[in-house]
Amino acid sequence: AQSVTQLGSHVSVSEGALVLLRCNYSSSVPPYLFWYVQYPNQGLQLLLKYTSAATLVKGINGFEAEFKKSETSFHLTKPSAHMSDAAEYFCAVSSFSGSARQLTFGSGTQLTVLP
Amino acid sequence: KAGVTQTPRYLIKTRGQQVTLSCSPISGHRSVSWYQQTPGQGLQFLFEYFSETQRNKGNFPGRFSGRQFSNSRSEMNVSTLELGDSALYLCASSIGTSGSTDTQYFGPGTRLTVL
Repeated sequence: AQSVTQLGSHVSVSEGALVLLRCNYSSSVPPYLFWYVQYPNQGLQLLLKYTSAATLVKGINGFEAEFKKSETSFHLTKPSAHMSDAAEYFCAVSSFSGSARQLTFGSGTQLTVLP
Repeated sequence: KAGVTQTPRYLIKTRGQQVTLSCSPISGHRSVSWYQQTPGQGLQFLFEYFSETQRNKGNFPGRFSGRQFSNSRSEMNVSTLELGDSALYLCASSIGTSGSTDTQYFGPGTRLTVL
């Protein structure tokens, strides 16, 4: 079974500081990994996805993530935090059973940006 | 292109009642998945429908059911509501046939409160 673990349920950074949100995965097959963001009272918005084309993936709003097979990690980073980045972030892995598919999510990381 | 829409956005029901939630996918998407989000259990997969057929199902009791129509719109039904069914129910749509890189796009969710 595939799974993801997000280290740190809450992360606080100052505005302008580096954002680093951690995600480690477990998969017996090459994984397909996603980062989603959720703002209060909203659904999930796709930030970026890894599909084996490139290990460094660039997403929206200045976010990027690097796939490291040796570390089974897919950490999300942003060089300079903005107040509008405050939200909950979810790492997910896509798994398949025949032609069916589902996303398995980590427990989420709440990002707070301090002025 | 319009995004995933879910109706209603908010619902209040009492224990023992049943409820039906609706999801309209992005135009051209044939796969619809449903997820339950709660503070305690996080995001959990309910089921996936593709071309009017349930293709995958999560570990939920039979009180949770769904269906998909020929226009790809989907409904989920919860019968005999319990307090623990209070959650945000998220619908996601995807093309459904592009293999393992198929990306799910989420709607804003329906907030169900069971009293």
